[in-house]
Amino acid sequence: EAQVTQNPRYLITVTGKKLTVTCSQNMNHEYMSWYRQDPGLGLRQIYYSMNVEVTDKGDVPEGYKVSRKEKRNFPLILESPSPNQTSLYFCASRNGPEGAYGYTFGSGTRLTVV
Amino acid sequence: GENVEQHPSTLSVQEGDSAVIKCTYSDSASNYFPWYKQELGKRPQLIIDIRSNVGEKKDQRIAVTLNKTAKHFSLHITETQPEDSAVYFCAAVRGTGFQKLVFGTGTRLLVSP
Repeated sequence: EAQVTQNPRYLITVTGKKLTVTCSQNMNHEYMSWYRQDPGLGLRQIYYSMNVEVTDKGDVPEGYKVSRKEKRNFPLILESPSPNQTSLYFCASRNGPEGAYGYTFGSGTRLTVV
Repeated sequence: GENVEQHPSTLSVQEGDSAVIKCTYSDSASNYFPWYKQELGKRPQLIIDIRSNVGEKKDQRIAVTLNKTAKHFSLHITETQPEDSAVYFCAAVRGTGFQKLVFGTGTRLLVSP
């Protein structure tokens, strides 16, 4: 089954404790992206990647890091989480410009930083 | 950069009525406009999209219209059903890369039986 898999689904952590949210897709998609969703603000892009070793900042990159060492994986790293990073996070992937344009989203990760 | 505004933030209709959600965008170079539906506790899912060379697109009970001159696009749902209740997001993206997809703030649609 074609899908984007995120882990964990729920995470409660303390301020300053490094964490990683994993994202993996099995569709051989080139493009991957991370979004955070907050009430009243919609979905805001954190980082995106156009291919292996090619990443760039989205609209709200502060406090986050990403890596794209393999085509299927695109982990989101919070080196020193803070309470304002409490949010619902979605990973998404899609084909390149020649393919379908719509993103396929993962199931989401609800992160709480206390 | 691109900015997408979406209205209304909430919309309540009776089953069988039509619902219209409107979005405006700021970047005249934007050329792809998808709409996503997010049911409670679930992931956003693409329901329909339109490219800048098309003025209208339909898929059964849903349709999207695009006015490039005014830089706005709308989602139309006819004969609404309770299962249409969800949050709907519009989005806009420019360029051949399509990687910078900017979303509106969402519309919560409630369809009452």
